[in-house]
Amino acid sequence: AQTVTQSQPEMSVQEAETVTLSCTYDTSESDYYLFWYKQPPSRQMILVIRQEAYKQQNATENRFSVNFQKAAKSFSLKISDSQLGDAAMYFCAYRSARRDDKIIFGKGTRLHILP
Amino acid sequence: EAGVAQSPRYKIIEKRQSVAFWCNPISGHATLYWYQQILGQGPKLLIQFQNNGVVDDSQLPKDRFSAERLKGVDSTLKIQPAKLEDSAVYLCASSLVLAGGPMGNEQYFGPGTRLTVT
Repeated sequence: AQTVTQSQPEMSVQEAETVTLSCTYDTSESDYYLFWYKQPPSRQMILVIRQEAYKQQNATENRFSVNFQKAAKSFSLKISDSQLGDAAMYFCAYRSARRDDKIIFGKGTRLHILP
Repeated sequence: EAGVAQSPRYKIIEKRQSVAFWCNPISGHATLYWYQQILGQGPKLLIQFQNNGVVDDSQLPKDRFSAERLKGVDSTLKIQPAKLEDSAVYLCASSLVLAGGPMGNEQYFGPGTRLTVT
């Protein structure tokens, strides 16, 4: 069975600095998708960034980028120029490319932004 | 475009009582998901609908949980009778299609319902 592990329950970063959130996953499949979701106190889950496993190039969305290491099964999220609005729970998630398969979420990392 | 709507936002009940949650997905979205998010954990899929048919309910505790999606639009999730361990946030999400690629399968989440069972 696939699993997603986030080893950092909480992290803090100074405003305007850069922070990296870690995620590892376990799967025997070769084709899959990885996601980072943000969940602010409002509880609404928001997709931050996604990566297709068949793509070697790391995904980037404005201040958010990932470091995808397929062999190591590692998928970290880097947030540059951290802003107060980035404070939230961040969930790493995995989904097989097989049709109908479900998304599996990690336990999350709570990110605090220090002014 | 209106997002996924859920109600109520909060609910407090005593154990052994029943409760129902309602979800209205984004217009035109064929697929609807119900997740349970226990405090300190990531969301866990309970049930997945494609139109009004069930695609996956393998993690739904069927002895007490039930869900339906009449006419392939709105959905209701019910718990009867509730247990203390059912205290959680219940998230509803929808996606345009149930496809193999991430573009067609991007899930949009509602604000959730926080259930407290005392």
